[in-house]
Amino acid sequence: DGGITQSPKYLFRKEGQNVTLSCEQNLNHDAMYWYRQDPGQGLRLIYYSQIVNDFQKGDIAEGYSVSREKKESFPLTVTSAQKNPTAFYLCASSAPGQGSNEQFFGPGTRLTVL
Amino acid sequence: AQSVAQPEDQVNVAEGNPLTVKCTYSVSGNPYLFWYVQYPNRGLQFLLKYITGDNLVKGSYGFEAEFNKSQTSFHLKKPSALVSDSALYFCAVSLHGSGNTGKLIFGQGTTLQVKP
Repeated sequence: DGGITQSPKYLFRKEGQNVTLSCEQNLNHDAMYWYRQDPGQGLRLIYYSQIVNDFQKGDIAEGYSVSREKKESFPLTVTSAQKNPTAFYLCASSAPGQGSNEQFFGPGTRLTVL
Repeated sequence: AQSVAQPEDQVNVAEGNPLTVKCTYSVSGNPYLFWYVQYPNRGLQFLLKYITGDNLVKGSYGFEAEFNKSQTSFHLKKPSALVSDSALYFCAVSLHGSGNTGKLIFGQGTTLQVKP
């Protein structure tokens, strides 16, 4: 899983609660990404950031929020507005290269809504 | 719209036999193509990529993939499968060009089952 850490590994949330997933990288990568993985659907992009203090919505951003105050960190908050948050969440980072550089993935956080 | 298709949900092979995991793509422009592998409850691991040049790309763990522009395919292959190759495999594509964000479009994944 390279130099990317995600915590916690497992997270349980009650309905109506906001929760924050941590993602830290020590690879000195500018770009960071958050994906959601559901069985049989592959990975879907939630948010991405190409540089500190800047981020863009991905394909399924509704109900999620992010911040990028430091190069190393890209936390994801799953808000109560996300109607079906139970999923496996993956963070990734990559060096700049106009899309030619591979992404390095963290070990993931499995979120379950009780 | 750009898309990636992995037509097989599952591929079953016997250990020692060659394996192929199929991937086709639809993009406007020239693609960068990637293969990743995922073991249960783990993140994705990079296997190989095609950027330009030789259509046959060699990667980690003895895997290789062939870029076929006319068929818009990037199939993953290995001459002799191992039981330890059993995992979930993802094909992904990103696009060239200045201002490219590095966003990847993933296929839905193919489960490879290698039986002893």
